[in-house]
Amino acid sequence: SQQGEEDPQALSIQEGENATMNCSYKTSINNLQWYRQNSGRGLVHLILIRSNEREKHSGRLRVTLDTSKKSSSLLITASRAADTASYFCATDALFQGAQKLVFGQGTRLTINP
Amino acid sequence: NAGVMQNPRHLVRRRGQEARLRCSPMKGHSHVYWYRQLPEEGLKFMVYLQKENIIDESGMPKERFSAEFPKEGPSILRIQQVVRGDSAAYFCASSPGDRTEAFFGQGTRLTVV
Repeated sequence: SQQGEEDPQALSIQEGENATMNCSYKTSINNLQWYRQNSGRGLVHLILIRSNEREKHSGRLRVTLDTSKKSSSLLITASRAADTASYFCATDALFQGAQKLVFGQGTRLTINP
Repeated sequence: NAGVMQNPRHLVRRRGQEARLRCSPMKGHSHVYWYRQLPEEGLKFMVYLQKENIIDESGMPKERFSAEFPKEGPSILRIQQVVRGDSAAYFCASSPGDRTEAFFGQGTRLTVV
């Protein structure tokens, strides 16, 4: 089963508003990453937050991590039309001593001008 | 420093033919991951390789699919006797280590006709 699950599956807001997406996972992690994917394109890495961190910022992005609830949130402030994309969280899953990234189904974000 | 390079970007194959997807990781990256993405879905892990070794192939179908990452040259994902259900976008990612961020290529879109 998927390690990371995003919520909501789809989100549509007006330009300038803030967008919040959530991710829940099931097992212990070393880090959690957020990626963006524009339609038909590859994934772009946004932020990596380690299990001993609670919050991280990058420009208009703010990521929080609550390991007790096994959840993370991605906040995009002052959204722009160019933020329209799918956003995925990815958690590392341990397999025979090696880590691999496991992705959720993503949140499809639409910013309306 | 060029990013992760995948080729071809688009590949059309008839049922029963073979598909070969190539991935050149970023310079200095020795870890390669392959993922498959169906339309409107998240990325499904397929295989994790290091130079000349398959570390984790738990997401690979047991038949027709194989992957390699030779000492020299790109990583290859090979699909034999393709069927329509193999139609998807295949993404490759590379990282310098197994607990660091992964960088994705633009993907290869395979269409089986």
